[in-house]
Amino acid sequence: AQKVTQAQTEISVVEKEDVTLDCVYETRDTTYYLFWYKQPPSGELVFLIRRNSFDEQNEISGRYSWNFQKSTSSFNFTITASQVVDSAVYFCALRAYGGYNKLIFGAGTRLAVHP
Amino acid sequence: DTAVSQTPKYLVTQMGNDKSIKCEQNLGHDTMYWYKQDSKKFLKIMFSYNNKELIINETVPNRFSPKSPDKAHLNLHINSLELGDSAVYFCASSQEASGATGELFFGEGSRLTVL
Repeated sequence: AQKVTQAQTEISVVEKEDVTLDCVYETRDTTYYLFWYKQPPSGELVFLIRRNSFDEQNEISGRYSWNFQKSTSSFNFTITASQVVDSAVYFCALRAYGGYNKLIFGAGTRLAVHP
Repeated sequence: DTAVSQTPKYLVTQMGNDKSIKCEQNLGHDTMYWYKQDSKKFLKIMFSYNNKELIINETVPNRFSPKSPDKAHLNLHINSLELGDSAVYFCASSQEASGATGELFFGEGSRLTVL
């Protein structure tokens, strides 16, 4: 069975702090995809990143970075120098390679960045 | 132009009524989805259609009936609404049903409140 766990329900930081959102997943598949989505207060779901299981290289995009570690089944997301606009619920998701596009979402982490 | 658009954005109705939510995508994608987000923000797939054909049908009460008149539209009809149906319903689309990317483009959500 596939499962995504985001143990942090809520995180509160002050602007300019760095913050890491944890994501741990379970799957029996040897090949799979991992995703992060952002849901700002306005409610829409915004795609942030996709990572293939066979590519363990970490990725950086501006203030965002992702640390994928297959050995610990984790795909953590770090925001450097957080800003108020980063306040949102962040979802980690898992999808098996092949088969249909069925995303399994974690419960989400609510990030509040205070000025 | 909104890529994935849902109507209505808000829907308040009485228990026992029948209601529909419409979704349209102008991305030229082959596959569309309905996801349900409950009050705890948990996102779960309900249905998926690929080129008007039902390909994913999760354990959903048969009061919920999706309909895809063409590959750009996927509507959700709900009969005999219950209090537990209150949620935000997200429509999404992807280029392929089982493509390598797996990126889903989401609509803004339709918040259904059953009184």
